[in-house]
This record gives sequence, C-alpha cells and structure tokens, in this order.
Amino acid sequence: KQEVTQIPAALSVPEGENLVLNCSFTDSAIYNLQWFRQDPGKGLTSLLLIQSSQREQTSGRLNASLDKSSGRSTLYIAASQPGDSATYLCAVGNSKLTFGKGITLSVRP
Amino acid sequence: NAGVMQNPRHLVRRRGQEARLRCSPMKGHSHVYWYRQLPEEGLKFMVYLQKENIIDESGMPKERFSAEFPKEGPSILRIQQVVRGDSAAYFCASSPFEQAQYFGPGTRLLVL
Repeated sequence: KQEVTQIPAALSVPEGENLVLNCSFTDSAIYNLQWFRQDPGKGLTSLLLIQSSQREQTSGRLNASLDKSSGRSTLYIAASQPGDSATYLCAVGNSKLTFGKGITLSVRP
Repeated sequence: NAGVMQNPRHLVRRRGQEARLRCSPMKGHSHVYWYRQLPEEGLKFMVYLQKENIIDESGMPKERFSAEFPKEGPSILRIQQVVRGDSAAYFCASSPFEQAQYFGPGTRLLVL
C-alpha cells in the first residue's frame, strides 16, 4: 500500500528565502508524481507533474525533482514571496492518486 | 477553456437526506476522479470513472455512496441517507488520459 509523507507539517520563512519542501513515498513503482497548491477553503492547483521516466520539472520559480530509488521528491521554491503562502501537497499514482497531508507554508513579509 | 466545474460549492443537508454532487470535467477530458477531504485529514481517493464506466471504486464506502458519469451531462456523486461523518470537502478532478489531474473547487458538504 502506497503511503506518502510530508514533513514538516508547517513551515514559516521570511520573504526572499529559497526553500525546499520534501515528500517521501513507500512504493517506488510509481507512475506519476504531482505537486499541488491548496489555498484555504479552495481547490487544488496543479503545479508540476513528473512522470516516472523523468527526474525533474521546472515552472518559473518552482523546480520539482524525483528520485524513485530513494522514494523522494522535493519541491524547490526560489525567492519566496508572501503570495506563496499556501498548503503544498504531494501526490503519487496514476489514476488513483495517493496524497500526503501537505506542508502549510507561511512566507512572512 | 473552462476548468473543472463543481456544483454546488456548498451543500447543507440534515441527517438522512440525500446529497448529489455534480462535476463537469474540462473540455476534452474523458476521465473523472472523485476525492474526499475530511477535516484534519489528507485527500483520499474515492472513485475513477470514464464515460458510462466505473473503472476503480476501491475508495468508495460500501454503502450509501454511488457515482456515475453518463454519456451526456456531468458526473454525479450521490450520498444517500447522509450522516454527520459525511461532512467533508468533495473534490472532482479530470484528465485527458491517465496524466496530470486538474481539480475543481470542491463541494463542501455539511450534515446537520
């Protein structure tokens, strides 16, 4: 059974800091890994998708990497801004996504 | 291209009533997924559907819950005889194939 863990549950950083959010999963035979952002009371916004044959994906200030052998993914956010404050969710799977509980990020002005 | 649409956004039901949640996938997407987010818990997969077919319902509770995705119209998640434990946010996602899933804004169900 796939389990996805995101630690810590919450993170607070000053504006401008580069930061890394971690995600670990137990079953390395994954298909896709997807990072999402969720704002309070809102739906999920897809940030990056890494297919199993890929090692990383980049979009703007975001970079996500995937290491299947170690069961880990990281989301790197460069030059963080207060608008980046949200909960970041990692999910693995194909049609059936298994989610971590998320990391709630607060970027202080 | 409009995103995934869900309605209603908020739904209040009394115990024992029925709840019907609707989801219209993005244009061109033939795969629909339903997830539930209970308070203080992560999102949990419920069911995966294609047009007129249930592909994987391994996350659906065995009783009171059903889902459909008819040839015409939105996907429907139906909860019969709701109980307080059904109070949660229900999210629908769609994809063109088994690729990135795009989520709707969710329906927040409150059972009184």
